[in-house]
Amino acid sequence: GNSVTQMEGPVTLSEEAFLTINCTYTATGYPSLFWYVQYPGEGLQLLLKATKADDKGSNKGFEATYRKETTSFHLEKGSVQVSDSAVYFCALHDFGNEKLTFGTGTRLTIIP
Amino acid sequence: EPEVTQTPSHQVTQMGQEVILRCVPISNHLYFYWYRQILGQKVEFLVSFYNNEISEKSEIFDDQFSVERPDGSNFTLKIRSTKLEDSAMYFCASSPLGQLNTEAFFGQGTRLTVV
Repeated sequence: GNSVTQMEGPVTLSEEAFLTINCTYTATGYPSLFWYVQYPGEGLQLLLKATKADDKGSNKGFEATYRKETTSFHLEKGSVQVSDSAVYFCALHDFGNEKLTFGTGTRLTIIP
Repeated sequence: EPEVTQTPSHQVTQMGQEVILRCVPISNHLYFYWYRQILGQKVEFLVSFYNNEISEKSEIFDDQFSVERPDGSNFTLKIRSTKLEDSAMYFCASSPLGQLNTEAFFGQGTRLTVV
């Protein structure tokens, strides 16, 4: 079956540091890949997505590249801000069903 | 900006009691979902709902669970007889065209605590 494994948290970084949150996946088909973010007190919001191999999703300075050869979709940002503090979820959607398969989430805290 | 709204934000209930978690999806959306996250574990799919019927459900979604769209705006998840292991954050989501074609929009979640 499908599964998503992402980096254990929590992660604490200083402002302007480089961020990587690792995500790898297992899928029976050819999935679309997503990063969702949950800010305190809010719902899950789509941050970025990629639908095929070598696609790069990007939004708000975050990027992730769909790597089929390593089954990975790592989230990166060159310079984090305090406002990036949130929980980040990696997820996949496989063709033929309606569900998203999520990882456990990684809590990111950015300190000034 | 339209959003998915869930109530209550936190509910505490005694084991064996029935609970109803409520969601108001975005008004022109056609597909509705419930997910849950037990503390420290993955967000898990429970059920999808389209055209007034369940389109897909997981093995978690047993006879203790049911979903309903009682009117044009609400989408509810009912747990008939809660167990301690039902304690989790429950997320409602909706999408206009289904997950194949477009993203799902999530609510802020209802934290259910069964004591």
